[in-house]
Amino acid sequence: GEDVEQSLFLSVREGDSSVINCTYTDSSSTYLYWYKQEPGAGLQLLTYIFSNMDMKQDQRLTVLLNKKDKHLSLRIADTQTGDSAIYFCACSNDYKLSFGAGTTVTVRA
Amino acid sequence: DARVTQTPRHKVTEMGQEVTMRCQPILGHNTVFWYRQTMMQGLELLAYFRNRAPLDDSGMPKDRFSAEMPDATLATLKIQPSEPRDSAVYFCASGRSGSTDTQYFGPGTRLTVL
Repeated sequence: GEDVEQSLFLSVREGDSSVINCTYTDSSSTYLYWYKQEPGAGLQLLTYIFSNMDMKQDQRLTVLLNKKDKHLSLRIADTQTGDSAIYFCACSNDYKLSFGAGTTVTVRA
Repeated sequence: DARVTQTPRHKVTEMGQEVTMRCQPILGHNTVFWYRQTMMQGLELLAYFRNRAPLDDSGMPKDRFSAEMPDATLATLKIQPSEPRDSAVYFCASGRSGSTDTQYFGPGTRLTVL
């Protein structure tokens, strides 16, 4: 199946930018997603990008897609304490989503 | 604000007991997914329904797990008999086929089997 890799931890100072990286193996993925999971909650869709795009911006979030390198990143500008959570990268293949293991982002004051 | 709902939110049971988890997908969505999340395995897809028909349950242990959609507003996941290794958070997600493949997740059922 699809392999999706993410680094496990990221620590960032409040007000700085966070960059979470993801690599995947299936080049036929049509859509790629970022989900956020806060403690005790389900996965919340943050944003997604169509595979023929290379960038998408949505307020403080910027998604970059390098299809050649199969690399996806999520940049969070002006990171706040409320951004502390686990962030999952996911790729679609037909109806299935393949998820990475999640990156735990800790925002320190 | 349309959301996927799941009940119960928490369940503690003893080994050997039957467990039933329920999910109400977002109105108008025709795909339903069941996932299990554990620290060791991460998110695992257990079952997938489209238009109430089960299309993929290859991720589900067949001997004890069963998933059904009695109608378009209800999906169930049943474990009988439950075992301690089934302890996990079970998520339901729904979506609309033919669009962006986006799945919207419920809050999950945290299951503890003693």
